[in-house]
Amino acid sequence: DQQVKQNSPSLSVQEGRISILNCDYTNSMFDYFLWYKKYPAEGPTFLISISSIKDKNEDGRFTVFLNKSAKHLSLHIVPSQPGDSAVYFCAASVRPGTYKYIFGTGTRLKVLA
Amino acid sequence: DTAVSQTPKYLVTQMGNDKSIKCEQNLGHDTMYWYKQDSKKFLKIMFSYNNKELIINETVPNRFSPKSPDKAHLNLHINSLELGDSAVYFCASSQTGGQHSPLHFGNGTRLTVT
Repeated sequence: DQQVKQNSPSLSVQEGRISILNCDYTNSMFDYFLWYKKYPAEGPTFLISISSIKDKNEDGRFTVFLNKSAKHLSLHIVPSQPGDSAVYFCAASVRPGTYKYIFGTGTRLKVLA
Repeated sequence: DTAVSQTPKYLVTQMGNDKSIKCEQNLGHDTMYWYKQDSKKFLKIMFSYNNKELIINETVPNRFSPKSPDKAHLNLHINSLELGDSAVYFCASSQTGGQHSPLHFGNGTRLTVT
C-alpha cells in the first residue's frame, strides 16, 4: 500500500524553463511534506518542506505547492539548471514525533542544456 | 565535517555471512533511522531509534538487528545474509520533539550478496 506516489518516473526539461514534479498521497493524516534531491551514489539531500497549514512555500528557485483537498503536492523549479538533473523524492509524515517518513518512488529530472 | 556518515560505502559478501554497517551523526539529533532502497528505487523505512530507544521496526526480518550505543550512533547488523538483502541502505537522522524536522541522510551503503 503505497501512501505516497510519484507517477512520473522521469521528466526532461530545457535549461531555463520550469520543471514541475508532482506527488500524490492517500493518507489524510499526513501533515508535513518534504522534497529531496538525490544524485547517483549519494544520499538524498533535503530541498524544501511544507506544513499542512500552508499551501505554498518558496526557497529561491524552488517552490512547493500543497493542495490538501486533492491530496497533491508539486515542486516547481524555476529556472531549471543542468545541475538540477537528479532524482527527486517527495516524502510525508504524520504529526511530529511519529518518527516515520514515507517516501515516493522518485522522479528522474533531466535538464537539457 | 560530514553530518551523517556511514561505513562501508560498498559491501560485497556471500550468502549466509554476517555483516555490519555503521552510522554516526554529528548533528546532535535525537532520532536515527535505517532506510532500505531496493532495486525499484523505493526508499522504505526499516527502523527508527529515539535517544537509543527503538521506536519503529517495520516488519523487518529478525536477521536485521539495529544497535544504538548512544544517540549519535546507529549500527545495523545483518545475520545469515540472503540474496534479497542486496540493496542500498541509508542511515538518516532528525531532531524530533514537538516540531517537524527533515531527515538528513548519509551517502548509503551498497550491499551486494552473491
